[in-house]
Amino acid sequence: QVQLQESGPGLVKPLETLSLTCAVSGNSISDDNWWTWVRQAPGKGLEWIGEISHTGTANYNPSLKSRVIITMDKSANQFSLYLTSVTAADTAVYYCARDVEAGCVLDHWGQGILVTVSS
Amino acid sequence: DIQMTQSPSSLSASVGDTVTITCQSSQNILRHVSWYQQRPGKAPRLLIYTATNLQIGVPSRFIGSGSETHFTLIISGLQREDSGTYYCLQSQHKPYPFGQGTRLEIK
Repeated sequence: QVQLQESGPGLVKPLETLSLTCAVSGNSISDDNWWTWVRQAPGKGLEWIGEISHTGTANYNPSLKSRVIITMDKSANQFSLYLTSVTAADTAVYYCARDVEAGCVLDHWGQGILVTVSS
Repeated sequence: DIQMTQSPSSLSASVGDTVTITCQSSQNILRHVSWYQQRPGKAPRLLIYTATNLQIGVPSRFIGSGSETHFTLIISGLQREDSGTYYCLQSQHKPYPFGQGTRLEIK
């Protein structure tokens, strides 16, 4: 059974870096899948942040591209999101998900983690 | 970037009804659309992928159709647990935009 679990600070100060990790169980991240981050601001819709392949190739939403990095740690079977220079507009629930078709078919999701940007 | 226009933004229906949600793409995206259900406080759940394919474990009352620029999600024989917000997602071209969402209320 594939499970994903986000972890990280729930509160980040403005202009600092948001760092989240998604621990994957039941599926090796070295398998032929992509691993994705999606966020949802309070009361708003879903926004695709970016993805990383099992080979380490990453793609990002251009709206965030200059601030976002996604990495993976195969030994720990997890992948991470880093978002720099955060503002209140980055306050959101952040989800990690598995893309099973290498075409953004997100079949397994973490439960989500609320990150608030505030001083 | 490709834009996905989803409608309606909200609807209300009764148990047993049939409802239709649509997504219009600004470009031809073949059949690269998936549909998600999100209940309040929960992560989204994959319902339909590649426009028409039912995800394992999803009830057959969820039906996806469409191609190129016009896609629909039909929910027939509504159940109370179908309440939530529904999103389409295009995956032909990055970045992958979700539709704006359709909030479904069961009366």
